[in-house]
This record gives sequence, C-alpha cells and structure tokens, in this order.
Amino acid sequence: QVQLQESGPGQVKPAETLSLTCTVSGGSVSDGSFSWTWIRQPPGKGLEWIGYIYNSRTTDYNPSLRSRVTISADRSKNQISLRLSSVTAADTAVYYCARGPPALGEFDYWGQGTLVTVSS
Amino acid sequence: DIVMTQSPLSLPVTPGEPASISCRSSQSLLHSNGFTYVDWYLQKPGQSPQLLIYLGSNRASGVPDRFSVSGSGTDFTLKISRVEAEDVGIYYCMQALQTPLTFGGGTRVEIK
Repeated sequence: QVQLQESGPGQVKPAETLSLTCTVSGGSVSDGSFSWTWIRQPPGKGLEWIGYIYNSRTTDYNPSLRSRVTISADRSKNQISLRLSSVTAADTAVYYCARGPPALGEFDYWGQGTLVTVSS
Repeated sequence: DIVMTQSPLSLPVTPGEPASISCRSSQSLLHSNGFTYVDWYLQKPGQSPQLLIYLGSNRASGVPDRFSVSGSGTDFTLKISRVEAEDVGIYYCMQALQTPLTFGGGTRVEIK
C-alpha cells in the first residue's frame, strides 16, 4: 500500500523559504511509472497545483509560482521536497503531495497534508 | 490556463435521491489520443481529496458504481444515482490536459 507523508515547519516567517518533505512508503520516487506532485489548499478555499517531478529530475511548475518554487527528489531517502521562497501570507495553506502517472493525469494517492502558516 | 467552472456551489441532497454536479472547461479536454483529461475528486470533511473518476469516465478503484460521469469536450456532469450519507464533502473536477493543471472551485454536497 502506497503512503505519502508530508512534514515540515508549521509556521514560516514572511520573506523566508518554506521547505517541506514528502516521504513515500510502499513505492519508490525513482519509479519511472509515476510522477510526484505538490498541491496546496488555502484554508477554506480550493485546490492549486504547484508542480511535479518525474524520473527524479524532470520538473514542471505552475507559472504563477515558477520563480519561487523548486521540487526535488532524494532517492536515498525516498523523499520528494518542496521549496517555496519569499513567502507571504497568501502562501498559507495545507500542502499535499500526491502520486500521478508519468505524463499528466490523475492523482491516485495523496498525503494527509500539512498546514503551513506564514506569519511573523 | 484552462479555467474549470463548477456548479452549483452548494448542493443539499436527500439520501436515496440522485444528485448532479456540472463542470465546464474553457477549452476542450479531448486529447488527440482519444482520451478526455478530466478527473473528479471528493474531499470528505477533514480529509485529503480522493480520486473518484479519471480520464473522463473511469471509476477509480473501490468507487461505487452509483458514481458516473456524462458529457464530453468542455461540459461534464458527475452523477450520483442514489446519494448516501458517506458521499458528503466537496467535489472537485480537474483538468489534466495541460499544465498548469487546474481545478474547479468545488461543489459542497451536504445532507438536507
């Protein structure tokens, strides 16, 4: 059974960098059969696609965040990481990692999400 | 970006009765490979979204057959033939035709 677990600081100061990790169990981030995606949800609002990584190196990002976001993979730890720089209050959200197909498509497994609040 | 528009915003339902949610995209989601790149998710209260329907009309593993999708191109309807109490939550459609992937605003289904 595939499981995804997000982790990281629950609070980040404005202008700093948000860093989260998604630990994958029951599967491998190196598996070329899947991509790994970050999605966020501001409190009480809808879902926003942040970006994905495939084959541990191919990435694509939402243009609205591209200048500030980096998604990477650590094969040795079987983890996917998200870094979002220069955060503001608008970046306050629950951040989810999810598994998808190698090309664009549906997300069949999601983590439970982690709330990150941007506040001084 | 492809804009996904859902309606209604809120849908009170009676258990045992049918329910329908509409999703419209700003451009066709039919790929040249013949697949339609629209998916549906249900976010139950306090939970992560879960996949219901993928590639237009395919039910995900474990999804009851009371869930179905009709439509094509830019207009899609998620139908629940007989609503059960466990179906409450927020339903989202999502297009996976091109990046950035985009979601509809969500439809909250609640029991009357």
